[in-house]
Amino acid sequence: LAKTTQPISMDSYEGQEVNITCSHNNIATNDYITWYQQFPSQGPRFIIQGYKTKVTNEVASLFIPADRKSSTLSLPRVSLSDTAVYYCLVGPSGGYQKVTFGTGTKLQVIP
Amino acid sequence: EAQVTQNPRYLITVTGKKLTVTCSQNMNHEYMSWYRQDPGLGLRQIYYSMNVEVTDKGDVPEGYKVSRKEKRNFPLILESPSPNQTSLYFCASSPLTEIFNYGYTFGSGTRLTVV
Repeated sequence: LAKTTQPISMDSYEGQEVNITCSHNNIATNDYITWYQQFPSQGPRFIIQGYKTKVTNEVASLFIPADRKSSTLSLPRVSLSDTAVYYCLVGPSGGYQKVTFGTGTKLQVIP
Repeated sequence: EAQVTQNPRYLITVTGKKLTVTCSQNMNHEYMSWYRQDPGLGLRQIYYSMNVEVTDKGDVPEGYKVSRKEKRNFPLILESPSPNQTSLYFCASSPLTEIFNYGYTFGSGTRLTVV
């Protein structure tokens, strides 16, 4: 599975757009990029998933450049409730191997 | 309601006393997995199972055992717990073909303290 690198932490004020970038230089052709959100003492939950270009849902957008060696999770107009750890995962859709979450990016939203 | 149920939520035990943390899912998922989470270390996979009677080691399997005798259950067994196994544990499940599509469903976690 592709190794991912994310910033350890980020701070943002309420109402701002937040972009969290994940590097995955050795992404394979059949790998998808998936982002999870985890609140303290809760299990992670799925946010968004994409393969290339841009994906948007009601929660976030995911931007993937043509070379797919990185991806950016964009959270529009964050609120205090978006304070959480965000994980980037890369792997095949039919993944059946070890799944490594890494340490994620701790986002702190400031009033 | 589709869910992954872990029990117990909290457990304090003594070194060397065997314990089992149960995990059950009601979604007919093939893939199940156990993680432990420690401050600064993120989520680390302990064991995973692709289906009944098929299990394999994750990144940190030492000191743990699992079994998958039924599709819905995937218990985590600590034969002789030690203080370094004090952690927050999560069970997760997924359809085998959708792990990286729509991902895992996680349980609520079990906070284990070994004294």
